[in-house]
Amino acid sequence: GAVVSQHPSWVICKSGTSVKIECRSLDFQATTMFWYRQFPKQSLMLMATSNEGSKATYEQGVEKDKFLINHASLTLSTLTVTSAHPEDSSFYICSARGLGANEQYFGPGTRLTVT
Amino acid sequence: AQKITQTQPGMFVQEKEAVTLDCTYDTSDQSYGLFWYKQPSSGEMIFLIYQGSYDEQNATEGRYSLNFQKARKSANLVISASQLGDSAMYFCAMREEYNFNKFYFGSGTKLNVKP
Repeated sequence: GAVVSQHPSWVICKSGTSVKIECRSLDFQATTMFWYRQFPKQSLMLMATSNEGSKATYEQGVEKDKFLINHASLTLSTLTVTSAHPEDSSFYICSARGLGANEQYFGPGTRLTVT
Repeated sequence: AQKITQTQPGMFVQEKEAVTLDCTYDTSDQSYGLFWYKQPSSGEMIFLIYQGSYDEQNATEGRYSLNFQKARKSANLVISASQLGDSAMYFCAMREEYNFNKFYFGSGTKLNVKP
């Protein structure tokens, strides 16, 4: 149980375009979903937290207009990187937590490369 | 001050031997949770073990155990009988009760298991 999927697993896009990443909880209802960014050989950096049906809460320094997060249902959250630039290239990981649960379950990650 | 400190950037262990990965944390909360995650080269974050601050017993999950020393604010992960498949990055994380959604991650320890 507690499986989280992400799609796509990798994506290459041109500078200036937008990219949408999906995060799905497959076998549980995720009341809260999280989006992280990870640079090579570094730890995870929390970008934002989203609760189903509510606006996402962004961490300090994360541009909400650039990283659009939607958590429309209890099993799906999306991250859209708008007007992507090469510096947005990174590994993006989502995680999900069910109501009252202690642990977060992570998706497999999406590697974004902006050329 | 950093919330989570992992002082070992890299560790080597011989197959079938036990290894301890260090983690210290900093919080003034009385109620908090401590987690360990494994990240293989594929990038997926795999939940390993959880310890609540009020749990009197050290958490164990198969070959993983958490050596929780509350007074020292340490939560070391012990892996017994190491296997080649244990080679990965390991992250320690903490969540404080007052901000239930936010995980603080350490910088990680790269474990290499030698045959």
